[in-house]
Amino acid sequence: DIQLTQSPSSVSASVGDKVTITCRASQSISDLLAWYQQKPGQAPKLLIYAASTLQVGVPSRFSGSGSGTDFILSINSLQPEDFATYFCQQADSFPFTFGQGTEVDV
Amino acid sequence: QVQLQQSRAEVRKPGASVKVSCRTSGYTFSFYHLHWVRQAAGQGLEWMGWINSNTGGAKYAQKFQGRVTMTMDTASNVAYMELSGLRSDDTAVYFCARIWSLKYFDFWGHGTRVVVSS
Repeated sequence: DIQLTQSPSSVSASVGDKVTITCRASQSISDLLAWYQQKPGQAPKLLIYAASTLQVGVPSRFSGSGSGTDFILSINSLQPEDFATYFCQQADSFPFTFGQGTEVDV
Repeated sequence: QVQLQQSRAEVRKPGASVKVSCRTSGYTFSFYHLHWVRQAAGQGLEWMGWINSNTGGAKYAQKFQGRVTMTMDTASNVAYMELSGLRSDDTAVYFCARIWSLKYFDFWGHGTRVVVSS
């Protein structure tokens, strides 16, 4: 199985900050990676797919980059509604796997 | 609009089975496969398997092989996930999710909480 390791596991930030989250795969997955945002009591929401493509309706302050084994999710100018947990997911092969999550809090 | 409506929370005793439903609407059922993902409290996301919405064939994560069965009713656009031999560590929220481009989960159900307790 492909392991995904996110860092940091949590980050404290303020409104207006830039936040960067990394996701490292245990083997190359090309650009077959997605990022999801999850708020307490809610289902995950797709933010970015194919490593860098923004899902329709997602604000442009979110961006993704990377390929192979190393990926980055960036949030520019953090907004109050961005405080949540973020997960990466690999779509290279079954079983699909997720990173352990990164909590962005105040 | 696309919606995935899941069944209500369930409580089961260890060793029992649970069947969770996922009623879809707002799109053509056969165009998108459905996956199941679970999340224990305060934990990450765990992929369980998927069902081919055209053929009804299913594929499961090795961890759940022999305990999980995924089925569907195309007449009512509903998918089901049944987990048997429940243990306390099966206590989790179970999500169904539509997969887009065979890779990414673009719509999710709201989740069904399953509690396994004696």
